[in-house]
Amino acid sequence: EAGVAQSPRYKIIEKRQSVAFWCNPISGHATLYWYQQILGQGPKLLIQFQNNGVVDDSQLPKDRFSAERLKGVDSTLKIQPAKLEDSAVYLCASSLITGFYNSPLHFGNGTRLTVT
Amino acid sequence: AQSVSQHNHHVILSEAASLELGCNYSYGGTVNLFWYVQYPGQHLQLLLKYFSGDPLVKGIKGFEAEFIKSKFSFNLRKPSVQWSDTAEYFCAVNAGGGSQGNLIFGKGTKLSVKP
Repeated sequence: EAGVAQSPRYKIIEKRQSVAFWCNPISGHATLYWYQQILGQGPKLLIQFQNNGVVDDSQLPKDRFSAERLKGVDSTLKIQPAKLEDSAVYLCASSLITGFYNSPLHFGNGTRLTVT
Repeated sequence: AQSVSQHNHHVILSEAASLELGCNYSYGGTVNLFWYVQYPGQHLQLLLKYFSGDPLVKGIKGFEAEFIKSKFSFNLRKPSVQWSDTAEYFCAVNAGGGSQGNLIFGKGTKLSVKP
């Protein structure tokens, strides 16, 4: 099966600019996650979607970050305006359903964002 | 707040050596435990998981992990490493009742295996 697709792979922007990342999950996967991985740390969940509804966005900095999954398939994550501390790898993951045991998370390769 | 500690930042071993990577978590209730691996240039992938039952779980590629509830630990082991095991390993915890995707990851341990 095709994996989780993310684009772009790399992005360099200046602070205060805006940026958007795209994710296409594995076909049929109802649940989609965005994680932020800062260098030297483990991934941190930003937002979780079940189909096109938000399940958990408690760790999303909503003053600058937004995400949508309009048709319950692909998703975009936007940062506006970007800050230096947003430099990180942004990972998208998907799973068939929200239950873990028989539905592991499948991660994409991520988008590496550098804010200068 | 929940947290996950991985004791070693970088481990260097020779092929055929035994591996043990430490992972401790801070949460007093029911937890689900995971080890993920990221090979160079590849995406994160699940190595093994513990939900309940036998505290010794076996994963892919000969890895295993033991859940010791009294020590809040979930250490990863492999009897004999290979050069192809060179990767970064992440321990993750999901506290019972929390969002299914809200895994708390450790900072990762980079494993380098010398041929």
